[in-house]
Amino acid sequence: GQNIDQPTEMTATEGAIVQINCTYQTSGFNGLFWYQQHAGEAPTFLSYNVLDGLEEKGRFSSFLSRSKGYSYLLLKELQMKDSASYLCAQGGYQKVTFGTGTKLQVIP
Amino acid sequence: NAGVTQTPKFRVLKTGQSMTLLCAQDMNHEYMYWYRQDPGMGLRLIHYSVGEGTTAKGEVPDGYNVSRLKKQNFLLGLESAAPSQTSVYFCASSYPWTGMIGEQYFGPGTRLTVT
Repeated sequence: GQNIDQPTEMTATEGAIVQINCTYQTSGFNGLFWYQQHAGEAPTFLSYNVLDGLEEKGRFSSFLSRSKGYSYLLLKELQMKDSASYLCAQGGYQKVTFGTGTKLQVIP
Repeated sequence: NAGVTQTPKFRVLKTGQSMTLLCAQDMNHEYMYWYRQDPGMGLRLIHYSVGEGTTAKGEVPDGYNVSRLKKQNFLLGLESAAPSQTSVYFCASSYPWTGMIGEQYFGPGTRLTVT
């Protein structure tokens, strides 16, 4: 199977920047997804990287290094509503494998 | 568009009972998925379908069956529920991006308790 590792929990301050890391196995790689999931709700799509480099989308950016099997999600100007779990997922041919998620708590 | 809908939203079963969870999508997506989510385990794939009439096993298929008779619907069946199947079940749909899986759209989830 595919092992995806990300930190279990993180805490950051409102207005700050936080980086959530994710490592994955490089074999069978077909893109890296990030999803956001608020407590009690369904996951929603944030970003997708298939080539090396940084993809920026407003306050959120996602980075990929295929040779290192590494990605990160960068959240800038943190807001209280960013408190959620962030799921890293490795894309395959017809399915994805999810990591266990990083629960981010934003504090005032 | 309603997106992805799931019924029911909540259910309590006794051990040994059966039930069917229904997922429907109105986005004409080819791919559909059933996941379960448990604390500390993340989302785990139960079964999936890449087109009408086709199904495939995921990571944790035991104790579940599925059917995709119509493109817009994907049914998940529990023939004889067990307490280990207590979980939150999410359905998702996706369209392929150059043959590979694309962004997934998730339903609101079904919270199932088996006593």
